[in-house]
Amino acid sequence: GAVVSQHPSRVICKSGTSVKIECRSLDFQATTMFWYRQFPKQSLMLMATSNEGSKATYEQGVEKDKFLINHASLTLSTLTVTSAHPEDSSFYICSARDWSSGQGAGNTIYFGEGSWLTVV
Amino acid sequence: AQTVTQSQPEMSVQEAETVTLSCTYDTSESDYYLFWYKQPPSRQMILVIRQEAYKQQNATENRFSVNFQKAAKSFSLKISDSQLGDAAMYFCAYISNTDKLIFGTGTRLQVFP
Repeated sequence: GAVVSQHPSRVICKSGTSVKIECRSLDFQATTMFWYRQFPKQSLMLMATSNEGSKATYEQGVEKDKFLINHASLTLSTLTVTSAHPEDSSFYICSARDWSSGQGAGNTIYFGEGSWLTVV
Repeated sequence: AQTVTQSQPEMSVQEAETVTLSCTYDTSESDYYLFWYKQPPSRQMILVIRQEAYKQQNATENRFSVNFQKAAKSFSLKISDSQLGDAAMYFCAYISNTDKLIFGTGTRLQVFP
């Protein structure tokens, strides 16, 4: 079945540096990908919707310059946390929408494995 | 704006028994999809069941079934013959053809032997 791969699964970076997380659809073309952040014992908070070939749509309160999202191809979206600080430490997870079977029964969402970011 | 509400922060069930998790949502769209996801401690999001709004028949997947009430905007999940492995966080989610995937606050399910 369709798979979404997210990398790295865990990353530790120093405060002030930038870190990139990749979300890749392995066997389908994902025109739309979603990026979430999840705090401990909380739900998934949507950060932005990434559309291939266009600018990402950010949710209210999410800093566009801090969380850079690029969706340059139909199979790859990246989230770059710029000038990371300890408060950015969190679990980040992406999902991709598979439209390949049309808007009906084939409309399915697949999730990556998630990435743990620790900023020290 | 679309919203998803899960009013039960925690639920518990005895092994082999049945439990129902509640979910309500608000939308002005007529065509949309509803999901239940399971999230174990590994944080992997596992799709449990999916319902297309245009289908009147309730979706079922083995021990998992939903009660989809479109007029009431209700989408509850029933787990039959509960197993210890069912213990996890469960999230209800909504998406339309033109919108984003949004989640409820989650319900933590505990299963007791």
